[in-house]
Amino acid sequence: EVQLVESGGGLVQPGGSLRLSCAASGFTFSSYWMSWIRQAPGKGLEWVANIKQDGSDKNFLDSVKGRFTISRDNAKNSLYLQMNSLRVEDTAVYYCARDTPNKKGHGYWGQGTLVTVST
Amino acid sequence: QSVLTQPPSVSGAPGQRVTISCTGSSSNIGAGYGVHWYQQLPGTAPKLLIYDDSNRPSGVPDRFSGSKSGSSASLAITGLQAEDEADYYCQSYDRSLSWVFGGGTKLTVL
Repeated sequence: EVQLVESGGGLVQPGGSLRLSCAASGFTFSSYWMSWIRQAPGKGLEWVANIKQDGSDKNFLDSVKGRFTISRDNAKNSLYLQMNSLRVEDTAVYYCARDTPNKKGHGYWGQGTLVTVST
Repeated sequence: QSVLTQPPSVSGAPGQRVTISCTGSSSNIGAGYGVHWYQQLPGTAPKLLIYDDSNRPSGVPDRFSGSKSGSSASLAITGLQAEDEADYYCQSYDRSLSWVFGGGTKLTVL
């Protein structure tokens, strides 16, 4: 059974940093692109970043470029999102999701972890 | 402002048919990229409902169907049931922005 479990969310002040983790199991992690997708309270879904199977290609939402970094450790079946210079508007539930091959959407999602940026 | 445009809400009585539209542009849906639909029940993660315009993952009832024409797509739900009450999102790939979503549509079963 495919499982994605996020951790690392919490309350942080504006300008602060946070590192999210996603532990994957039930599939060959190293064979899939992986994404982070977020949802602000009461709002819609917003793709944040994704990373290629071997980490050699990464893409980011314009508003997080230069502030967020995505990485993965295939030996540990883990995905990460390093978030720096956090802003109030980054407050959201952050989901880890597995990209489906050939851009057929995201077939599996974690339960999400809440990041709150506030004073 | 989402890249893909959906109506904020739709509603229907049990047993009825409802449709949810999703309008994009020549850089995403109109460029030939597939449209995917997600169902998000309250307090849960989104679930893939339709992929590549009209395909259902295993386990999704055939009451749910998708279609695409030009730069627009639609999700249809027939035989509406109370448990279908949820938020629905369309998604596609965009040449310049990577993955993009619609703003979401809240389905109310009357």
